[in-house]
Amino acid sequence: ETGVTQTPRHLVMGMTNKKSLKCEQHLGHNAMYWYKQSAKKPLELMFVYNFKEQTENNSVPSRFSPECPNSSHLFLHLHTLQPEDSALYLCASSQAMGGTLNNEQFFGPGTRLTVL
Amino acid sequence: AQKVTQAQTEISVVEKEDVTLDCVYETRDTTYYLFWYKQPPSGELVFLIRRNSFDEQNEISGRYSWNFQKSTSSFNFTITASQVVDSAVYFCAQLSMDSNYQLIWGAGTKLIIKP
Repeated sequence: ETGVTQTPRHLVMGMTNKKSLKCEQHLGHNAMYWYKQSAKKPLELMFVYNFKEQTENNSVPSRFSPECPNSSHLFLHLHTLQPEDSALYLCASSQAMGGTLNNEQFFGPGTRLTVL
Repeated sequence: AQKVTQAQTEISVVEKEDVTLDCVYETRDTTYYLFWYKQPPSGELVFLIRRNSFDEQNEISGRYSWNFQKSTSSFNFTITASQVVDSAVYFCAQLSMDSNYQLIWGAGTKLIIKP
């Protein structure tokens, strides 16, 4: 496989469930990102990992817990979510971060999450 | 403050027409990066182009072209001879030190190409 893959593509969960979203990048990149895309709202950056180390946590509620075991894999663990957490969750990766070349981000297809 | 404005919420044109998507950015930095992404109905954001602030040369890639003008803080995107497959939401974004190197996204422009 090439590019950035995400599983599952669709997920329906109850508020008491625990689930995980998985992201894998096959591009040899060093940085990975989680974004949330809600209807009629701008893309929201949730977490950033660079060389497996978390560098950003944009005031995300603790019911979202990221994990980055290596530079190729990124997880988003979900527990006791609320209906307003329903959204498209996008994973991205980039070769580098910040004000350098090769900082463009490549995105996966996203996981459409519905919380009942 | 960092800001990206895409004033056109939705544009609808007939196939083969040319169409321009507007993007206006705000930044206090002298070094910054501008991006365009395409999001088709499938949901995946597809990277189209990155522009550095120190390179104002316009770019053409097939039917796509980009006009970067620092004087007006604009980075507009033109599709020539549009096709139905161009239908998508297009996002403009900016990255700079002032935004802690986080992408600042525009609201997106939904482009509808009618056959």
